[in-house]
Amino acid sequence: QKEVEQNSGPLSVPEGAIASLNCTYSDRGSQSFFWYRQYSGKSPELIMFIYSNGDKEDGRFTAQLNKASQYVSLLIRDSQPSDSATYLCAVIRNSGNTPLVFGKGTRLSVIA
Amino acid sequence: KAGVTQTPRYLIKTRGQQVTLSCSPISGHRSVSWYQQTPGQGLQFLFEYFSETQRNKGNFPGRFSGRQFSNSRSEMNVSTLELGDSALYLCASSLTGPEDTQYFGPGTRLTVL
Repeated sequence: QKEVEQNSGPLSVPEGAIASLNCTYSDRGSQSFFWYRQYSGKSPELIMFIYSNGDKEDGRFTAQLNKASQYVSLLIRDSQPSDSATYLCAVIRNSGNTPLVFGKGTRLSVIA
Repeated sequence: KAGVTQTPRYLIKTRGQQVTLSCSPISGHRSVSWYQQTPGQGLQFLFEYFSETQRNKGNFPGRFSGRQFSNSRSEMNVSTLELGDSALYLCASSLTGPEDTQYFGPGTRLTVL
């Protein structure tokens, strides 16, 4: 099992819809979870982080964490074409020599 | 505040050569992490430096090395280049480490022929 798994996509949603991006992780002791957005040809930028079970909202973005199910998700409300990018889930590991492990990302395409 | 800068932006080398990449973090940031990004493997952690000390190292061969200077600028070196080293190399800086908000540089695109 990969340490951080994401569906590679592409995930296509119409403009104005809710985009739901999912991520699972294998290290049960992981404490911190991040969502990065990477536009094509650009470097990743942090959009959300979450440490506690439940939901965390920031504008159109909501991160959801369920540690019991080892699952973290990102919801994007009122999706815009400018949200089209690859979304990377990253997890701070509790052990090992790699502190931050990234998933391979989900490519989101918002159709106008 | 100036962002993270990386030089050079593009590099073409041949197998067997060695290469040095440079990263200047955001002013005040003491942690610099290096990542390799490829289409097949995604973003993989190489190593992290904090106050001139390597704190963590990912699962890469010893051909990959790095260092950090007293002004927090960092370099990474790859010796005896292989075709598989072709990738985008990204550095990220933060105040305290990868558990903190990281700011990525634009990357260095390395092509090994």
